[in-house]
Amino acid sequence: SQQGEEDPQALSIQEGENATMNCSYKTSINNLQWYRQNSGRGLVHLILIRSNEREKHSGRLRVTLDTSKKSSSLLITASRAADTASYFCATWENTGFQKLVFGTGTRLLVSP
Amino acid sequence: NAGVTQTPKFQVLKTGQSMTLQCAQDMNHNSMYWYRQDPGMGLRLIYYSASEGTTDKGEVPNGYNVSRLNKREFSLRLESAAPSQTSVYFCASTGQGKSGYNEQFFGPGTRLTVL
Repeated sequence: SQQGEEDPQALSIQEGENATMNCSYKTSINNLQWYRQNSGRGLVHLILIRSNEREKHSGRLRVTLDTSKKSSSLLITASRAADTASYFCATWENTGFQKLVFGTGTRLLVSP
Repeated sequence: NAGVTQTPKFQVLKTGQSMTLQCAQDMNHNSMYWYRQDPGMGLRLIYYSASEGTTDKGEVPNGYNVSRLNKREFSLRLESAAPSQTSVYFCASTGQGKSGYNEQFFGPGTRLTVL
């Protein structure tokens, strides 16, 4: 089963607006990662936040992590049409061999 | 570096036909994975390989086999394709990324249609 669950499933905004996506996970983590997927393409790593961090910035991306609530959020500020993509959170599942477990994703549409 | 490459990009099969999806990575990563992604869905792990010579089942292994031919290559075989296997297949490998931690690197995907 998917460890990470995201909401909303889909988000439609105008260029210039901010987009916020949320992710919940079930087990303890060392870090949480966010990936982006353009339509029909493979996933690309965006940003990683360690379990001892509460907030991290990278350009127009801001990630927060609340380990007490087992949740994370990804904020994209001043969205552009080129940000249109699906966004997935992912956490490592320790089962003797590390597997990266992905959430169900948020589909973001940014209209010009 | 080419990263993770997959062939073919597109494939159409008839029910019952077999085929092999090829994947290779040039980043010297030990672990490799095969996922499938159905429309509007997340990724589901089919098989993975922790290192050369080892493979193990993921969430949805039925109907698939894999071979870790060497450290670079990890292939996925459909012995008797079924319409339920229509999907986009992604190969990935794990290694240290720009974050300094293990990240996954994905291939461009193979879009498979089974009629």
